[in-house]
Amino acid sequence: DAGVTQSPTHLIKTRGQQVTLRCSPKSGHDTVSWYQQALGQGPQFIFQYYEEEERQRGNFPDRFSGHQFPNYSSELNVNALLLGDSALYLCASSQGTGHLTDTQYFGPGTRLTVL
Amino acid sequence: AQSVTQPDIHITVSEGASLELRCNYSYGATPYLFWYVQSPGQGLQLLLKYFSGDTLVQGIKGFEAEFKRSQSSFNLRKPSVHWSDAAEYFCAVGPHGSGNTGKLIFGQGTTLQVKP
Repeated sequence: DAGVTQSPTHLIKTRGQQVTLRCSPKSGHDTVSWYQQALGQGPQFIFQYYEEEERQRGNFPDRFSGHQFPNYSSELNVNALLLGDSALYLCASSQGTGHLTDTQYFGPGTRLTVL
Repeated sequence: AQSVTQPDIHITVSEGASLELRCNYSYGATPYLFWYVQSPGQGLQLLLKYFSGDTLVQGIKGFEAEFKRSQSSFNLRKPSVHWSDAAEYFCAVGPHGSGNTGKLIFGQGTTLQVKP
């Protein structure tokens, strides 16, 4: 049973560019959450998708957007990249309503470097 | 504002010694509480969680944590540390009650180093 997978593993972009990160949830899971983890910091909640809709959003600008597909996989898009967007981006999936009582399983993350 | 504080950025213990990692939270009510571990190149793995009931919770890999409402703390403990426990540990909280979707608030993390 595959766990949460993310692609790509690493990515290097330049300022002003756009990037798309991908996440496949654990089998049977229908809820996907995205987190940003800057170096030396704890993860910060970006947003959560459930039933193909953004359910809740953290304190991130509109440059950060996402999508969830009918097969529950998800994409995170970041436009107009800034140096400060360099971070590890984590995807977490869960089964159910996306409430905190549902255990979230995290993927290994995508390391984004913005030059 | 909701926040989580892990006072110790880095801790070194000898293999076989006991371990306690501290976590304090600031929240309007009793939150859901979690401890995660992150090894290099790995995603976050849930060690244990507290929602309600018994304030001493058992987790995987021999870890336990105790919720103390009066101290707003949720410290993680292990009686005997193994070299494989070396990793980054994160405490996290989330809103209790209805509408408690998956928004977790994480602490800054504590790096655990284990000496042979």
